[in-house]
Amino acid sequence: GNSVTQMEGPVTLSEEAFLTINCTYTATGYPSLFWYVQYPGEGLQLLLKATKADDKGSNKGFEATYRKETTSFHLEKGSVQVSDSAVYFCASMDSSYKLIFGSGTRL
Amino acid sequence: DVKVTQSSRYLVKRTGEKVFLECVQDMDHENMFWYRQDPGLGLRLIYFSYDVKMKEKGDIPEGYSVSREKKERFSLILESASTNQTSMYLCASSSSGGSGNTIYFGEGSWLTVV
Repeated sequence: GNSVTQMEGPVTLSEEAFLTINCTYTATGYPSLFWYVQYPGEGLQLLLKATKADDKGSNKGFEATYRKETTSFHLEKGSVQVSDSAVYFCASMDSSYKLIFGSGTRL
Repeated sequence: DVKVTQSSRYLVKRTGEKVFLECVQDMDHENMFWYRQDPGLGLRLIYFSYDVKMKEKGDIPEGYSVSREKKERFSLILESASTNQTSMYLCASSSSGGSGNTIYFGEGSWLTVV
């Protein structure tokens, strides 16, 4: 079945540092891919998504590119802020419209 | 604005009690989901529903049941709560019609079983 693997945390960075959180997936076909963010005490919010190969999702300075060659969807931000502290989840959507999540990375 | 509302944010229940977690969405979405979130395990799907009165088991349905009598409401039921069901529960919804459709989450319900 489909699965998502993301880098373990926690990730600790100085303000204005460059951020990368790695995410790879296994799937039959080409699933839609998502990054969700969870701030302390809250539910999940969609950060960005990509629905086909080579698509780039972006929001709030975060970006991720759907790479089918490497089955990856790494999250990047050029200059992190204290307010970006949260847990980030990578997810793929299977053919039944269900999300399959990675284990989350705390920044 | 999209809204998924979970009526109880924090609950403390005793072992063996029957527990109801309620979720309502105001977006006329066909699909609704219940996940549980545990440290190091991410989110795991308990049950989901594609339409009123329909339900499908997710990855970890044991010890849980669900009810969807109206399109906007999806309830998660713990028939006899146990301490290993202490967790955060997240409800979500989405519309049908394409795998790129966004799934929207509620704010979560923290359940402690003592």
